[in-house]
Amino acid sequence: GAVVSQHPSWVICKSGTSVKIECRSLDFQATTMFWYRQFPKQSLMLMATSNEGSKATYEQGVEKDKFLINHASLTLSTLTVTSAHPEDSSFYICSASGLAQLSYEQYFGPGTRLTVT
Amino acid sequence: AQSVSQHNHHVILSEAASLELGCNYSYGGTVNLFWYVQYPGQHLQLLLKYFSGDPLVKGIKGFEAEFIKSKFSFNLRKPSVQWSDTAEYFCAVNAPNNDMRFGAGTRLTVKP
Repeated sequence: GAVVSQHPSWVICKSGTSVKIECRSLDFQATTMFWYRQFPKQSLMLMATSNEGSKATYEQGVEKDKFLINHASLTLSTLTVTSAHPEDSSFYICSASGLAQLSYEQYFGPGTRLTVT
Repeated sequence: AQSVSQHNHHVILSEAASLELGCNYSYGGTVNLFWYVQYPGQHLQLLLKYFSGDPLVKGIKGFEAEFIKSKFSFNLRKPSVQWSDTAEYFCAVNAPNNDMRFGAGTRLTVKP
């Protein structure tokens, strides 16, 4: 149980375009979803936390107008990278936690590799 | 703000050697502690977790970790590593506000 999927698994886009990444909890209701960014050979950096039906809470230094997060349902959150630039190229990972899960445990998706050319 | 420190950046061991990876955190309140593993090209997998109770936690694949509250530590151990344990290991701390903070990670290379 507690499976989280991400789509797409990798995407290449041109500079200036927008890219949407989906995160789905497949077998549980995710009241909270998290978006992380991981640079090569580095740790995960929390970008934002979103609760279903509420605006996302962004970490310091993360541009909310650039990284749009929507958590419209208990099983889906989306991250849209707007006007992408090469420096946005990274590995984006989502995780989800829900009321039915043990407290504070997060389940991670497989990640989406974004390359901006 | 809470932070997580993993002191070993890269550890190289031979098969059958014992492993201990250090993890210290700075948060003073009640925390939940996790160790995740990321095999090459794969996503994060939970190795073990501590919420409360016995401070010695056993996880999958023969890993265990000990929570020492007085030292703010949650070190990961395995008595005998295998080549297949080669991976990146991340310690993570989750405070009651549900924010999870990760350590920088420790790359483990096990030589056959």
